[in-house]
Amino acid sequence: DQQVKQNSPSLSVQEGRISILNCDYTNSMFDYFLWYKKYPAEGPTFLISISSIKDKNEDGRFTVFLNKSAKHLSLHIVPSQPGDSAVYFCASFTSGTYKYIFGTGTRLKVLA
Amino acid sequence: KAGVTQTPRYLIKTRGQQVTLSCSPISGHRSVSWYQQTPGQGLQFLFEYFSETQRNKGNFPGRFSGRQFSNSRSEMNVSTLELGDSALYLCASSSRGGEDTQYFGPGTRLTVL
Repeated sequence: DQQVKQNSPSLSVQEGRISILNCDYTNSMFDYFLWYKKYPAEGPTFLISISSIKDKNEDGRFTVFLNKSAKHLSLHIVPSQPGDSAVYFCASFTSGTYKYIFGTGTRLKVLA
Repeated sequence: KAGVTQTPRYLIKTRGQQVTLSCSPISGHRSVSWYQQTPGQGLQFLFEYFSETQRNKGNFPGRFSGRQFSNSRSEMNVSTLELGDSALYLCASSSRGGEDTQYFGPGTRLTVL
């Protein structure tokens, strides 16, 4: 049972436009949500996180939105750059279990 | 500060064999977690070690085991390899675990023939 779902395996966006990556979850007990970016032959790198008590967090070109009623979060990248082309994983964290649960990833391709 | 290192980077084994993977965390980090990444399954949590003790475990069979040494270096062992064990194995270290930011190594690509 996949508790964190990324239903779009891939996404293509033109350089300079907005990239929106989506993630759905089933467990309302998650305390944090995180986004990681992964380039080929490298491990994932932390991008941005959001606490479950917030609905938005911004860091430069990256903004994460959390909609608790819909159990949905999204990562917005504005403006998108070719260097953003990577696989993006969303993940949840629960303080009680100290466990991270990752989604299956979305491959973003930013076209120059 | 040096990042998380994993050795070996690539490994080819045959069914029934066993394998040991190694992970050296960032200096000062005491928590090491292991993940399995396969296409379509994302990253699946194997286990976490903190101060030489397994603190958390995912839903993997007992063939998957690990340990952590006093210098925080960690090893993961898979016994009686199966074809389905072919995957990228990633380790991540953090200062104390929990919600502390995890830093991932580049992974070990295991192929089971």
